[in-house]
Amino acid sequence: GQQLNQSPQSMFIQEGEDVSMNCTSSSIFNTWLWYKQDPGEGPVLLIALYKAGELTSNGRLTAQFGITRKDSFLNISASIPSDVGIYFCAGLNYGGSQGNLIFGKGTKLSVKP
Amino acid sequence: DTAVSQTPKYLVTQMGNDKSIKCEQNLGHDTMYWYKQDSKKFLKIMFSYNNKELIINETVPNRFSPKSPDKAHLNLHINSLELGDSAVYFCASSAKGSLYGYTFGSGTRLTVV
Repeated sequence: GQQLNQSPQSMFIQEGEDVSMNCTSSSIFNTWLWYKQDPGEGPVLLIALYKAGELTSNGRLTAQFGITRKDSFLNISASIPSDVGIYFCAGLNYGGSQGNLIFGKGTKLSVKP
Repeated sequence: DTAVSQTPKYLVTQMGNDKSIKCEQNLGHDTMYWYKQDSKKFLKIMFSYNNKELIINETVPNRFSPKSPDKAHLNLHINSLELGDSAVYFCASSAKGSLYGYTFGSGTRLTVV
């Protein structure tokens, strides 16, 4: 089946630093999504990307849909302690009556005050 | 007013028991899902279901079965629980044709002892 390779697996950074993580796939997706999961909670959608080459921002977060439709990156600028959590990329294709959201393995972000 | 709610939040049970996890969504979505998150935080889809079609991930043991009494509910029944079933289970929902990804519940942590 389709698989997403997400890197890095974990990051430990100083507050105020910028963060970058990316995701690649062996096959194309129609939509790329980035989720954040806080401890004890479910994933929450941060950014959705719908077109190849699209660059979208949500506050300090910026994400891009790769031109080949096989990759995406997420940048977080000026990190703060509440950015701590696990970030997941996810690819979505629609076929038939419903889609199938495939997740990367996550990037665990730790921020040192 | 929680969009996707799961109960219970925590479930500890002995091997061999049968248990159920309930999920309800008040978003008016027509498709619901169950995901399993293992100890390495990998999210893997188990089922997707709308009122017309159930799609089962082929790797899911037949001890797991989704039951949907109506469009707003998708419960997960697990028979003859095994140690390896210990994980966090997430319910999610989406609107048909939605490009906005899925909305997740906060998860049920199942521990089999």
